[in-house]
Amino acid sequence: GESVGLHLPTLSVQEGDNSIINCAYSNSASDYFIWYKQESGKGPQFIIDIRSNMDKRQGQRVTVLLNKTVKHLSLQIAATQPGDSAVYFCAENLPNDYKLSFGAGTTVTVRA
Amino acid sequence: NAGVTQTPKFQVLKTGQSMTLQCAQDMNHNSMYWYRQDPGMGLRLIYYSASEGTTDKGEVPNGYNVSRLNKREFSLRLESAAPSQTSVYFCASSRNYEQYFGPGTRLTVT
Repeated sequence: GESVGLHLPTLSVQEGDNSIINCAYSNSASDYFIWYKQESGKGPQFIIDIRSNMDKRQGQRVTVLLNKTVKHLSLQIAATQPGDSAVYFCAENLPNDYKLSFGAGTTVTVRA
Repeated sequence: NAGVTQTPKFQVLKTGQSMTLQCAQDMNHNSMYWYRQDPGMGLRLIYYSASEGTTDKGEVPNGYNVSRLNKREFSLRLESAAPSQTSVYFCASSRNYEQYFGPGTRLTVT
């Protein structure tokens, strides 16, 4: 993943509002995408993933949208909570290749 | 299950010293990875091991060596540490595409 165009390195959100984190990925052949959350001092943790044959996938309070036409991925967090403050990374993966390519990340800060 | 464990958590080295970062996973995963993370950047792959007995270079392998000791353990060695290797190092493992990460080792080279 790369951080171009719509990507913002930081995002400040009011508690209770919805958050939208954007990511532009680099390879049109990528067929699997994943979002990770990294809290301060910890390793990245899986949030949600999506395959290229889908354009939307929902989890608990999170939704990932995939637009293959413009190579864009977004993560929506509903009713953002203080515990959502972290750095969020998107990653992409090529077919038959277990290596992930990570974007630079977006730091989300939740205001009380 | 402990998941992915890494030792040590913190380390300070002088330029030219060597050390080995240890990583172990108890999830019976075939693939293991070493990444480095620098301020303001995403994770960059140093080396990976698709299965026991195999290792391959990633994006930034220079100055590092690895050993896949067995299915559980994958170590990263710095033979002659340099200040440019000051970073946070993460180990990960996976069965398929989803990677599980350890807590990281914060390394400072002076």
